[in-house]
Amino acid sequence: DVKVTQSSRYLVKRTGEKVFLECVQDMDHENMFWYRQDPGLGLRLIYFSYDVKMKEKGDIPEGYSVSREKKERFSLILESASTNQTSMYLCASQNTMGGRSYGYTFGSGTRLTVV
Amino acid sequence: AQSVAQPEDQVNVAEGNPLTVKCTYSVSGNPYLFWYVQYPNRGLQFLLKYITGDNLVKGSYGFEAEFNKSQTSFHLKKPSALVSDSALYFCAVRRVYGNKLVFGAGTILRVKS
Repeated sequence: DVKVTQSSRYLVKRTGEKVFLECVQDMDHENMFWYRQDPGLGLRLIYFSYDVKMKEKGDIPEGYSVSREKKERFSLILESASTNQTSMYLCASQNTMGGRSYGYTFGSGTRLTVV
Repeated sequence: AQSVAQPEDQVNVAEGNPLTVKCTYSVSGNPYLFWYVQYPNRGLQFLLKYITGDNLVKGSYGFEAEFNKSQTSFHLKKPSALVSDSALYFCAVRRVYGNKLVFGAGTILRVKS
């Protein structure tokens, strides 16, 4: 089974801190995604990456950046954390081998609280 | 642009009764459709998908979903609900030629014994 591992389950950070959320997948998937999940809003796409050093903005990229230096690792960076970034963050990866791609495999999520 | 609507915030059903969680979608062209389930403080787990072929799709844990192109719906069903089915359910859509999934807001399913 594909494993997508998010390094922290729970994080508490202070306003203004720089925050790194790490995600690692072990199946050589090309595509990786970062979503945030908020009650009543479902999952909203922050950024995604379809190759090393490649990234594209999702629907809500403001206040975030990403890094993908290696294929297996996709990092989400909050440059200066704010309380409105308190949320559940979900990482996902997607296999696109053979020119086809279907659903995602998700990590367990990181619940970030900014105080 | 793609979008998904899950019109019910919460669905309540008695154990042993059939359940339905509704989903309608909007996408240009043909869709790929998905259902995911989330248990408390966990990531999303894949339940089933519609790619092509038979409109009735069977998935994990006895769930199934029916693709209805004319109504642009993909409702999740199970003939006999279990208390352990209680969770948050997400419907998602993407275009055939695309990678990004768009999710609905989610529906809480509560199954009472």
